[in-house]
Amino acid sequence: DSGVTQTPKHLITATGQRVTLRCSPRSGDLSVYWYQQSLDQGLQFLIHYYNGEERAKGNILERFSAQQFPDLHSELNLSSLELGDSALYFCASSTRDRGHNEQFFGPGTRLTVL
Amino acid sequence: AQRVTQPEKLLSVFKGAPVELKCNYSYSGSPELFWYVQYSRQRLQLLLRHISRESIKGFTADLNKGETSFHLKKPFAQEEDSAMYYCALSQSNLQGAQKLVFGQGTRLTINP
Repeated sequence: DSGVTQTPKHLITATGQRVTLRCSPRSGDLSVYWYQQSLDQGLQFLIHYYNGEERAKGNILERFSAQQFPDLHSELNLSSLELGDSALYFCASSTRDRGHNEQFFGPGTRLTVL
Repeated sequence: AQRVTQPEKLLSVFKGAPVELKCNYSYSGSPELFWYVQYSRQRLQLLLRHISRESIKGFTADLNKGETSFHLKKPFAQEEDSAMYYCALSQSNLQGAQKLVFGQGTRLTINP
C-alpha cells in the first residue's frame, strides 16, 4: 500500500499513561499533518512537519508532541493521558510544505482512554 | 477567527432527488476551500477543491464570496453518495505552511 499508513489501528490505555502513534506518509511526500477528531470538537489540526522540521502548530496541548524522522515517518506522542483525549487521530501527507495542496489521509488510530 | 460551519449534522434525501450540503466560512484573506468525503469504513479523501472548478462524481461546489459560502450540490443523488462530508478551509501561516480547518461534517444518507 503506497498510501498513508498509521499504526496501531486501535489503542486502549488508562489515564496518566503515555502512548505513541505512528504515521508513514505516501511515497515521495515530505509533509506530514496530524489531526484529532473527537465528537465534541470535530476534526482539529494539531501540527505539521515538513522534511523533519515543524512548520505549523494548531491547538496542540503541551502534553502532546510530535516529530518527523529522516525516513519521513512521523510519531505523535501523547502523555499524561486524560479521558478527554479519547479520539480518532488522523495523519495526512502531501508533497509540499507550502501552498494549498491536497492532503492524503491515513485510516486513523482510535485512542480510548479509560 | 477562521471558521467553517456546516449547519446540518444529518441530511437525508431520496435517490434521484437533488442534494445540497451547506458550508459557510469566515476568513479574512482569499479562501481556498475543499470538500472531503469519508465513505463507510474508508479514509477521508478529497472530493473537490474550488480552484479546480471541476465536477467529481456529479458533485459541484461554487465559491460565493459575497455569501461566504461553498455549498456542495448534486442534481440527482445516488445511493453510493451516502457518506460523511466535510467542508474545509485551507489556511496558511506567515511561512506559507498550510493547515486545514474543517467543519463539523454532514452525514448524508440517500434513501432508495
